[in-house]
Amino acid sequence: DIQMTQSPSSLSASVGDRVTITCQASQDISKYLNWYQQKPGKAPKLLIYDASNLETGVPSRFSGSGSGTDFTFTISSLQSEDIATYFCQQYDNNPLTFGGGTKVEIK
Amino acid sequence: QVQLVQSGAEVKKPGSSVKVSCKASGGTFSSHAITWVRQAPGQGLEWMGRIIPVIGTGNYAQKFQGRVTMTADKITNTAYMELSSLRSEDTAVYYCARGLYDSSGFILVYWGQGTLVTVSS
Repeated sequence: DIQMTQSPSSLSASVGDRVTITCQASQDISKYLNWYQQKPGKAPKLLIYDASNLETGVPSRFSGSGSGTDFTFTISSLQSEDIATYFCQQYDNNPLTFGGGTKVEIK
Repeated sequence: QVQLVQSGAEVKKPGSSVKVSCKASGGTFSSHAITWVRQAPGQGLEWMGRIIPVIGTGNYAQKFQGRVTMTADKITNTAYMELSSLRSEDTAVYYCARGLYDSSGFILVYWGQGTLVTVSS
């Protein structure tokens, strides 16, 4: 199975800050990497697919980049409604695997 | 717009089975995979497998092989996930999900609300 190492596991930032989360795959997964946001008690929500494509309706402050084994997810200006846990997910190989998650809090 | 509505919470005894349903509305049911993902309390997301209704056979994670069965009813547009030989570690929220950009269920755009399964004696 492909291991997805996500870091940090948690972070605290101020409103307006730039926030960056990384995800590293244990082997080359090309661009087959998605990012999800999950708020407490809710199902995950797709934000970015294929490493850098913004899902329809998702604010442009969210972005993704990378290919191969190293990927980055960025919130350019953190808003209070962005408080959530973020997960990366690869789909280059079965089984689909997820990163451990990054919990984002407001400082 | 696709909507996925799951069955309600369940409490089960160790060793028993649970069957969770996921009813789809909107979109084309048969040709898009329904993927099942679970999340233990306070933990991350774990892929269990998927089924493409028009094909009818499930593709399961190795971890669940022999314990999980995924089925789909093309008449009622409902997918099912049955997990047997339950143990306390199976306590989790179980989600069904579906793609939009791909029929294989790898990019999960639509999600059910989740079904809490509690395994306790």
